[in-house]
Amino acid sequence: AQSVTQLGSHVSVSEGALVLLRCNYSSSVPPYLFWYVQYPNQGLQLLLKYTSAATLVKGINGFEAEFKKSETSFHLTKPSAHMSDAAEYFCAVTSDSSYKLIFGSGTRLLVRP
Amino acid sequence: EPEVTQTPSHQVTQMGQEVILRCVPISNHLYFYWYRQILGQKVEFLVSFYNNEISEKSEIFDDQFSVERPDGSNFTLKIRSTKLEDSAMYFCASSYGYSNQPQHFGDGTRLSIL
Repeated sequence: AQSVTQLGSHVSVSEGALVLLRCNYSSSVPPYLFWYVQYPNQGLQLLLKYTSAATLVKGINGFEAEFKKSETSFHLTKPSAHMSDAAEYFCAVTSDSSYKLIFGSGTRLLVRP
Repeated sequence: EPEVTQTPSHQVTQMGQEVILRCVPISNHLYFYWYRQILGQKVEFLVSFYNNEISEKSEIFDDQFSVERPDGSNFTLKIRSTKLEDSAMYFCASSYGYSNQPQHFGDGTRLSIL
């Protein structure tokens, strides 16, 4: 079985500060990992994905994530937060044995001026 | 850029009624999915659909639910005899294939059961 844990339901940063959103996964098979962002009243938009190639993955809007197998983590970072980054972020996992996405509970990012 | 479209954006239905949620996946995608998100909870997988049949379903997807691809473009979720606890945001998604390919999501249908 697979699962995802996102630590921190809410994260608040100042504009220009580092963004770090945490995601830990559990999987008995090699995982594929995704980060999605959800803006108010919108669907889920793909930020980036890890699919067993490079462990450091770059995505849209300046975000990146690093796959660390030893820590079973896939944390999302951005060097400098922008007001437009305020949204809810979801980490998700899947694998070759199942196409369904298993989501974490989400982290709401607040950006203070 | 191609996108997944869902209609309606908001559906209000009396308890016990049937409701059909509609989705138009990205045209060259082969796999289709429904997820739901109850307010304040996780996004949950309901069902996946490939080659005109269900490929996987969750425990939530019981006999009350059904999916259909009635033509070459639409993908529908039918909920029979709706219950209060069916109130949620329902998301449709599609992917080209293979589990390492990202799923593309629509903006969702907010279903409110009265």
